[in-house]
Amino acid sequence: EVQLVESGGGLVQPGGSLRLSCAASGFTFSDHWMTWVRQAPGKGLEWVANIRQGGNEKYYVDSVKGRFTISRDDAEKSVYLQMNSLRAEDTAVYYCVRRLGSWFDPWGQGTLVTVSS
Amino acid sequence: QSALTQPPSASGSPGQSVTISCTGTSSDVGGYDYVSWYQHHPGKAPKLMIYEVSKRPSGVPDRFSGSKSGNTASLTVSGLQAEDEADYYCNSYAGRSNKYVFGSGTKLTVL
Repeated sequence: EVQLVESGGGLVQPGGSLRLSCAASGFTFSDHWMTWVRQAPGKGLEWVANIRQGGNEKYYVDSVKGRFTISRDDAEKSVYLQMNSLRAEDTAVYYCVRRLGSWFDPWGQGTLVTVSS
Repeated sequence: QSALTQPPSASGSPGQSVTISCTGTSSDVGGYDYVSWYQHHPGKAPKLMIYEVSKRPSGVPDRFSGSKSGNTASLTVSGLQAEDEADYYCNSYAGRSNKYVFGSGTKLTVL
């Protein structure tokens, strides 16, 4: 069974940092692009970042560029999101997703990040 | 990167059909046949329902169908069932720098 399990969410103060992790199983992780998508409370889904197989291409939504870094460890079958200089508007459930072609499947259950003092 | 435009809500009675629109621009929806649709029951993981405009993954009922005309994509749910009540989001490849954009979301209510 293909599965993605996120971890690392929590409460952090504005300006702080947090690192999210996503452990993959049930598929050949190294063959796929991976993605982070978030959903702020009461809001819609927002694509955050993509990372190519091997990790040499990374793309970000403009609002997180320069603050967030996506990375992967194919040996550990894991993808990460390092989030620095966090703002209140980064508060959201963060989903780890496998990208297949131009679509996203499956999705993890998500991990909640709350940025508040 | 503005969100694609979806109606905030849609509704229908059991057995009826409902269509949800997703409007973008020639830089995203209109420029590529890379539109996908997701069903999201709050508190659960979103689920892929349609990819590449009109293709249905295995396991998704054929009551769900997708189409596109110009800058607007559509998701049609036929033979509405109670379990179809959820939030639905479209997504499109947005070209430049390998970016993607989601729709604003539509809450589907089965009356």
